[in-house]
Amino acid sequence: KNQVEQSPQSLIILEGKNCTLQCNYTVSPFSNLRWYKQDTGRGPVSLTIMTFSENTKSNGRYTATLDADTKQSSLHITASQLSDSASYICVVSDRGSTLGRLYFGRGTQLTVWP
Amino acid sequence: EADIYQTPRYLVIGTGKKITLECSQTMGHDKMYWYQQDPGMELHLIHYSYGVNSTEKGDLSSESTVSRIRTEHFPLTLESARPSHTSQYLCASSESDRIYGYTFGSGTRLTVV
Repeated sequence: KNQVEQSPQSLIILEGKNCTLQCNYTVSPFSNLRWYKQDTGRGPVSLTIMTFSENTKSNGRYTATLDADTKQSSLHITASQLSDSASYICVVSDRGSTLGRLYFGRGTQLTVWP
Repeated sequence: EADIYQTPRYLVIGTGKKITLECSQTMGHDKMYWYQQDPGMELHLIHYSYGVNSTEKGDLSSESTVSRIRTEHFPLTLESARPSHTSQYLCASSESDRIYGYTFGSGTRLTVV
């Protein structure tokens, strides 16, 4: 069973609207949580990284939140643009090994329509 | 500007051929990784390396092999490609501090016919 679950699986919104993507995880012991944006046919690009002590972090129009108690995170996108169309992947790292293993969600496929 | 480079970006090859996917990074990162990703699915770690002459298999069993002769170079080889190897292969690297500096390449889309 995947230890990182994302919802919704896909989402269509109109340009200019806001949206929120969800990530629930069971990874333990927790080290950090990352949100990545992956354009079709490209590698993931980091948006935010949050450690246990951080509960919100912004990167331009992207704002991520983390509730380490409930093991939930969200990514809020404000005033969406056509270029926001991509897959958004939640990645959780554990601290149980020197490698700092990454656990990947399957992503939310966001499509922004004009 | 990406500091980790993968070539080729796309490759279509016949069954039974030997192929090498190239990955190079200019950031001086010790750790490098290979992931396999099918459409709509999560990334799966197939190989990783802590440094020169260090290679380990990841979580997902793979018939590919890797080598790490130089810090900046981490090629992946398939001795005999099969249609089941069709997938996207992503290379990544990270600093020794496992919190930051995890960077992905643009990937190689491999199709075996």
